[in-house]
Amino acid sequence: DQQVKQNSPSLSVQEGRISILNCDYTNSMFDYFLWYKKYPAEGPTFLISISSIKDKNEDGRFTVFLNKSAKHLSLHIVPSQPGDSAVYFCAASRTYGGSQGNLIFGKGTKLSVKP
Amino acid sequence: EPEVTQTPSHQVTQMGQEVILRCVPISNHLYFYWYRQILGQKVEFLVSFYNNEISEKSEIFDDQFSVERPDGSNFTLKIRSTKLEDSAMYFCASSEALLAGATGELFFGEGSRLTVL
Repeated sequence: DQQVKQNSPSLSVQEGRISILNCDYTNSMFDYFLWYKKYPAEGPTFLISISSIKDKNEDGRFTVFLNKSAKHLSLHIVPSQPGDSAVYFCAASRTYGGSQGNLIFGKGTKLSVKP
Repeated sequence: EPEVTQTPSHQVTQMGQEVILRCVPISNHLYFYWYRQILGQKVEFLVSFYNNEISEKSEIFDDQFSVERPDGSNFTLKIRSTKLEDSAMYFCASSEALLAGATGELFFGEGSRLTVL
């Protein structure tokens, strides 16, 4: 039961270019979405989030776009840097009348940024 | 910078043995969680804990699992009788507030790798 899907297991991008990581979800009750980054031997680190009342949230080089009708969100990193190389997890949650802190994660996309 | 710390970093145990994984959440956080990631699979929610009781648990969190906050700083996950399929990386997390009321940031520890033989 994959409620959150990241269909690309890996992505390779040249330094300075834009990285676009995609995520699809199936549960229309999800109302809060997050992106986490994970380096090997470390726990996931929060990057950016977006509520379902918005369609865009920006924080420095990171922008998350939400398309509710398509049940799709994406993370844009621009410009990409070699230090961005990590596994990126999309996560979703029902915060209203539902779970809080129960994040449903995707399988992750491994981003490699080449110098 | 405050962080969530977990011990041990790696534990090897025999099937059927009891295991306790320990976590020290960030000191002013009120909500605590355990997640796990089986090798090659997704990070999965196990349980959330607030005000000294379980707020929510997943189907994975069966009677073999329990959580406890034995003092003001530690948060533990106990597996009573480990099975081979319990082998995974277990992540503790904490947050200052519930998702709806904050940025949504759960702070994760570095994980405890459990290997059941």
